[in-house]
Amino acid sequence: SQTIHQWPATLVQPVGSPLSLECTVEGTSNPNLYWYRQAAGRGLQLLFYSVGIGQISSEVPQNLSASRPQDRQFILSSKKLLLSDSGFYLCAWSEAQSGGIYEQYFGPGTRLTVT
Amino acid sequence: GQSLEQPSEVTAVEGAIVQINCTYQTSGFYGLSWYQQHDGGAPTFLSYNALDGLEETGRFSSFLSRSDSYGYLLLQELQMKDSASYFCAVPSLDSNYQLIWGAGTKLIIKP
Repeated sequence: SQTIHQWPATLVQPVGSPLSLECTVEGTSNPNLYWYRQAAGRGLQLLFYSVGIGQISSEVPQNLSASRPQDRQFILSSKKLLLSDSGFYLCAWSEAQSGGIYEQYFGPGTRLTVT
Repeated sequence: GQSLEQPSEVTAVEGAIVQINCTYQTSGFYGLSWYQQHDGGAPTFLSYNALDGLEETGRFSSFLSRSDSYGYLLLQELQMKDSASYFCAVPSLDSNYQLIWGAGTKLIIKP
């Protein structure tokens, strides 16, 4: 069966500090990978998605970046965090075949507080 | 463009039936997904409707009417553990790889 790991679970960082969140998927090959952010009580905002190693699509201009160094590894980074970067960050995967995007499977999330 | 509308909050009684609606404005359509998210947790996939009609999975059912640009999630025999937020989502017309999400409906269940 497939498993998605995401860490850390919680993070408190000062403004201007760097960020690195990691997500790995087990039990599948060549998944589509996604990074979302969710503000408290709000819906999901897609930040980045990737359909293959080294392929990153950005949906929202911001000071965040993403990388996919391996097939099942997705990393979210920032060089300098802003207060507005606080939120719940979720990594997700879906099957790469046609129609796979309807079913996305989420990691446990990282709750980031920028102080 | 694409947008989805859901009620922000719905209240129901334990053991009852509740319907959460989702309407969408889009020039094309490929199907409607539903997700559940408990407070502090991650969303989990519930169902997907590609065709019109009702899809049943245990206590949960999902309905789609493409001609009416409308769908709903029906929860029967409500249990306290069903208290959560429910999101509808549709595939983006601009990309084959992303979903457009509704803002979510918070379901409050009273004993």
